[in-house]
Amino acid sequence: EPEVTQTPSHQVTQMGQEVILRCVPISNHLYFYWYRQILGQKVEFLVSFYNNEISEKSEIFDDQFSVERPDGSNFTLKIRSTKLEDSAMYFCASVGGHTEAFFGQGTRLTVV
Amino acid sequence: AQSVTQLDSQVPVFEEAPVELRCNYSSSVSVYLFWYVQYPNQGLQLLLKYLSGSTLVKGINGFEAEFNKSQTSFHLRKPSVHISDTAEYFCAVSIGGSNYKLTFGKGTLLTVNP
Repeated sequence: EPEVTQTPSHQVTQMGQEVILRCVPISNHLYFYWYRQILGQKVEFLVSFYNNEISEKSEIFDDQFSVERPDGSNFTLKIRSTKLEDSAMYFCASVGGHTEAFFGQGTRLTVV
Repeated sequence: AQSVTQLDSQVPVFEEAPVELRCNYSSSVSVYLFWYVQYPNQGLQLLLKYLSGSTLVKGINGFEAEFNKSQTSFHLRKPSVHISDTAEYFCAVSIGGSNYKLTFGKGTLLTVNP
């Protein structure tokens, strides 16, 4: 069964450092997303990506965040200068033709 | 904008008992409705979805949910739970015809005790 894969599973970084979270969506899917879940809180939408550009972004997705699909398979989320409050589980998801979002296992980001 | 309310943050039940996890949504347009399950230290797995048609939808692991448009609800039910059903359950909506962005509720932690 096709799946969304995310790397790394855990990332610890110092405040102010740049991090890149990586995702490989399901190959024939067209819509790609990043969500985050701060510990104990709900899953929040960050950004959606379609046709090689951002289609929608939330208020959380400020200038410190960027997304890229550099090679047609990977889908990355970059945080330029991490803050303590960026500590969360980050989920990548993709949607094909049936409206159902498939989620990766997540990357737990800890900013110290 | 749409929103999702899960009324119960925690639901403890005994094994083999029935369970209902409640979800209400708010939207000015038609929506697609989903229930996702998150087992400890894992990602989100789709349990079931309502897109259109029959209001009673069946999902994996014996779960089902009923869409009630007049009450704007999409409650999740299982007639007999197992220890292995212990997990966090999230109700989510997306707007039909949009980019399928999901809006999640805060989640309900289902704990099944022996």
